Amino acid sequence: QKEVEQNSGPLSVPEGAIASLNCTYSDRGSQSFFWYRQYSGKSPELIMFIYSNGDKEDGRFTAQLNKASQYVSLLIRDSQPSDSATYLCAVKGSSASKIIFGSGTRLSIRP
Amino acid sequence: NAGVTQTPKFQVLKTGQSMTLQCAQDMNHNSMYWYRQDPGMGLRLIYYSASEGTTDKGEVPNGYNVSRLNKREFSLRLESAAPSQTSVYFCASSVTSPYNEQFFGPGTRLTVL
Repeated sequence: QKEVEQNSGPLSVPEGAIASLNCTYSDRGSQSFFWYRQYSGKSPELIMFIYSNGDKEDGRFTAQLNKASQYVSLLIRDSQPSDSATYLCAVKGSSASKIIFGSGTRLSIRP
Repeated sequence: NAGVTQTPKFQVLKTGQSMTLQCAQDMNHNSMYWYRQDPGMGLRLIYYSASEGTTDKGEVPNGYNVSRLNKREFSLRLESAAPSQTSVYFCASSVTSPYNEQFFGPGTRLTVL
């Protein structure tokens, strides 16, 4: 089992709809959870992080964390074509300072 | 404030050649990281340095060495390049905090023939 798992997609969502991206992790002691956006040929860019159970909102983005289910998600409201990218879930485990990345979900927003 | 910078941006090597990838950050971060990213795969950690003077192996360290030259700079060396090391290499840095959010450089695209 991979430490951090994501559906590779592609996930196709119509413009203006809600895009829902999911991630599961195996280390029950994990402390912090991150969502990065990566455009093709570019470096990852941090868009959200969350460390407490529940929801965290930032503009059109909402991160949701459920530690009991070992599940973290990212919702993108009012999806725009510029949101088309690969979204990487990353988890800081219970030991050391390293972060484990999932393989990413490719999101495509269709006009 | 340049953030995280990497040199070179592109490099082509022949099998067996050596090279060093350079990374520098100006955000006064304690921790620095080297990742590789291959098509269809996420970022895989090669080495990291939690603080100046320390380095630790990540998930895929074989064939690489690192040097934490000072707080700002963290270099990655390929002693004898192999085609399997063809990849995009990213350097990242983070504060030493409970949350460890990382900031990435622009990447180096390396091809080994």
